[in-house]
Amino acid sequence: SAVISQKPSRDICQRGTSLTIQCQVDSQVTMMFWYRQQPGQSLTLIATANQGSEATYESGFVIDKFPISRPNLTFSTLTVSNMSPEDSSIYLCSVEDQGHGANVLTFGAGSRLTVL
Amino acid sequence: QQQVKQSPQSLIVQKGGISIINCAYENTAFDYFPWYQQFPGKGPALLIAIRPDVSEKKEGRFTISFNKSAKQFSLHIMDSQPGDSATYFCAASMRRRGSNTGKLIFGQGTTLQVKP
Repeated sequence: SAVISQKPSRDICQRGTSLTIQCQVDSQVTMMFWYRQQPGQSLTLIATANQGSEATYESGFVIDKFPISRPNLTFSTLTVSNMSPEDSSIYLCSVEDQGHGANVLTFGAGSRLTVL
Repeated sequence: QQQVKQSPQSLIVQKGGISIINCAYENTAFDYFPWYQQFPGKGPALLIAIRPDVSEKKEGRFTISFNKSAKQFSLHIMDSQPGDSATYFCAASMRRRGSNTGKLIFGQGTTLQVKP
C-alpha cells in the first residue's frame, strides 16, 4: 500500500486565517482525494485532485474556500481559506491503492484543525 | 439516494463477544461495499470488502453479510478483542461511467468499545 504523509498533523487557527495542508505520497498516483471528517461524523469527499488539471469539487464545496494544488504525481495541497469555527475538522488525504484494485482507498493520518 | 445509513452509533461489547454493525443503502447501482477501521489519531484503513455477487465474505474474525434484496449489509466481529476498539465505517460506491473507480459514500460510523 501507498504511504501517505500529511502535514501539519494538527493546528489551532484563528478565525479569518487560511491554512494549507500538505499531502505527500511515496509513489506516483493519478488521483488524490481530500476528505473532511467533522467531529463525531462521517467522511465527506471535498474534491478529487488530478495532476495537470483542475480539481473536481463535490457538491457543497467550492474552489474559493478549498483551493487545491496538484503540482506532480506524488504531492497535493489543500488550503482551508478564511476559516471559521465550522471548519474545525480532520482533513484527510487519500489515494486509490492500485495494488488492491479499484475503490480501495489508503488514507493519511489526517490533519486536525481547530478554529477559534 | 446516495446515503448509506449505519447503526448503531456506538457499541459496547465484552471481550469474546460478537460485535455487529449494520448498514443500509438505497441506490441499487452501488456495486462495492467496503468496511474501514479507524483508530484514534489515524486515518481509516480498509478492513474487508464485498461485491453484491456474493452473500458473505469472511476474513479471520471479520465477516460481511450482504442482503441484496433488503439493500443491507453488516459487519460481524467474532471473538471481539480490546484491540478491536475503534471506529468502523461502512461505505458504498458505484463505478463511474467509463471508469473503473467510483466515489465512496461513507456511513456515519460506529464507535466500538470492547471491554476486557
